[in-house]
Amino acid sequence: QSALTQPASVSGSPGQSITISCTGTSSDVGGYNYVSWYQQHPGKAPKLMIYDVSNRPSGVSNRFSGSKSGNTASLTISGLQAEDEADYYCSSYTSSSTVFGTGTKVTVL
Amino acid sequence: QVQLVQSGAEVKKPGASVKVSCKASGYTFTSYGISWVRQAPGQGLEWMGWISAYNGNTNYAQKLQGRVTMTTDTSTSTAYMELRSLRSDDTAVYYCARVDGLVIDPYWGQGTLVTVSS
Repeated sequence: QSALTQPASVSGSPGQSITISCTGTSSDVGGYNYVSWYQQHPGKAPKLMIYDVSNRPSGVSNRFSGSKSGNTASLTISGLQAEDEADYYCSSYTSSSTVFGTGTKVTVL
Repeated sequence: QVQLVQSGAEVKKPGASVKVSCKASGYTFTSYGISWVRQAPGQGLEWMGWISAYNGNTNYAQKLQGRVTMTTDTSTSTAYMELRSLRSDDTAVYYCARVDGLVIDPYWGQGTLVTVSS
């Protein structure tokens, strides 16, 4: 199972919005509404930010939103803040397994 | 509150085995599954496999088939991941995470660093 494709890096200024893409196939992202997004700060465990394409777990800021079109899912961070600087990973369910994305480093300028 | 607490760091020689534990608390252990995810230094997340705490059913990543075994002990609400024939590229932080239905939910262990070095 190949990793989902994400841009290596995305950057933005405080207050701006950025979008991270996650491209898979009809066997994973396109085939199921089970796409999740994780935020990971250095030395920390991943934190779930979005599940089932567009749902936020309790406690996650509404500045984070998710969507999907075809085989590509997207995470949008609005009102970018310094604390949002981290690595972000998407994941998708795929026939009894899970596949992660390649990861995107978000830099707040 | 839900917690997953993993065992401590390990240093192993190439060819050896390692067994990492993940003790769950704060929920009904057999109502969820456990996935194991690893992250090599400076690299991304890699899904290793999943075990149902209800019936012990497993599904492993193809690249690890034959080297990995996941088990649970329902009497202690603990999940285990054993990896055999260790190689240097198995050096990574290993995480357990709770699975709700088909997806990993917000609850992750703190991670266990496994270093494989001669």
